[in-house]
Amino acid sequence: GAVVSQHPSWVICKSGTSVKIECRSLDFQATTMFWYRQFPKQSLMLMATSNEGSKATYEQGVEKDKFLINHASLTLSTLTVTSAHPEDSSFYICSASRTGMTEAFFGQGTRLTVV
Amino acid sequence: GIQVEQSPPDLILQEGANSTLRCNFSDSVNNLQWFHQNPWGQLINLFYIPSGTKQNGRLSATTVATERYSLLYISSSQTTDSGVYFCAVSNMEYGNKLVFGAGTILRVKS
Repeated sequence: GAVVSQHPSWVICKSGTSVKIECRSLDFQATTMFWYRQFPKQSLMLMATSNEGSKATYEQGVEKDKFLINHASLTLSTLTVTSAHPEDSSFYICSASRTGMTEAFFGQGTRLTVV
Repeated sequence: GIQVEQSPPDLILQEGANSTLRCNFSDSVNNLQWFHQNPWGQLINLFYIPSGTKQNGRLSATTVATERYSLLYISSSQTTDSGVYFCAVSNMEYGNKLVFGAGTILRVKS
């Protein structure tokens, strides 16, 4: 299967600071990447879809100015949580796919704690 | 959008027992995947099975697309099978975005 790598695996930051999470496709070119958020004991909820070279599409209720997504190349998408607050503490996980690929492959996830 | 329901929500098994997890979905799909989320949060791909039957060792899965459900079978369960099992589906109408069910929490006791 395809390999997707996410970095960092975990991060602790202070309230008011920004945090950047990277999602890389290691062995294929990802035309589309998806960002999910998972709160404890809950399922994964899609936050946004990013297509290489274009603006991300956000799901209803997700603040696009708070969660900045950049998909500048076919192997890298980044999620920046701006002005983080404790309620942003969560598990963030990305998946990547390319045109014609219907099976999704996920990164290892990033556990964000805002103190 | 598509609705995905998984059952049971929780399951406790004795080591060596068999189990069946179910996933119902509300619309036609072009993708259905089963995942195991390990204690560190990583999603392990178990099956990509929009239709038909597949087997991989002690695990097998069947999707009946016309009746909009999928089943995951775990035989001779082991303690390492513990964790959360998710079913996720997508269709072209929804932009191929995966929609996850709420998951089944499986605990295998030794």
